Amino acid sequence: EAQVTQNPRYLITVTGKKLTVTCSQNMNHEYMSWYRQDPGLGLRQIYYSMNVEATDKGDVPEGYKVSRKEKRNFPLILESPSPNQTSLYFCASSLNRNTEAFFGQGTRLTVV
Amino acid sequence: AQSVTQLGSHVSVSEGALVLLRCNYSSSVPPYLFWYVQYPNQGLQLLLKYTSAATLVKGINGFEAEFKKSETSFHLTKPSAHMSDAAEYFCAVSDPGTASKLTFGTGTRLQVTL
Repeated sequence: EAQVTQNPRYLITVTGKKLTVTCSQNMNHEYMSWYRQDPGLGLRQIYYSMNVEATDKGDVPEGYKVSRKEKRNFPLILESPSPNQTSLYFCASSLNRNTEAFFGQGTRLTVV
Repeated sequence: AQSVTQLGSHVSVSEGALVLLRCNYSSSVPPYLFWYVQYPNQGLQLLLKYTSAATLVKGINGFEAEFKKSETSFHLTKPSAHMSDAAEYFCAVSDPGTASKLTFGTGTRLQVTL
């Protein structure tokens, strides 16, 4: 089954404690991205990757890092989380940046 | 750069009534347009897409949308709402053949009442 898998689904952490949210897709898609969803703001792109070892900033990259060492995986790293990063995060993959995106189930992150 | 506007952050309809969710876009080239649905505690799922073929696009769960270039609109409709349609709906636009990415609207939460 074609899917994008994120882990964990829920995460509560404390300010400053580094965390990683994993994302994996099995569709051989080249383009992957991370979004955060906040009430009234819709989905905002954090980072994206056009292919292996090719990543770039989206609209709200501050406080986040990503890596793309393999085509299928695109982890999101918060080196020093802060409460304003409390949000719902989605990983997505697509054939390219213009075509429909396939989304993971989301990770609800709370930073206290 | 393209953008998308969804009028109405909340829409409430009675079960069996027409559903109309509005989406207007701006784009420098003929766009690709998408509607996604997000059920509670789930990710976004593609409802339907327009990619320059037929202007009336049918999607899953009885939804359809019509691309109207003159009005720069891509409104989502369903003739008869069902309780299971209660969800958040996102319109998205991209400019094919350019370096632009998929851009989402702020979403419309659909409530269906008895």
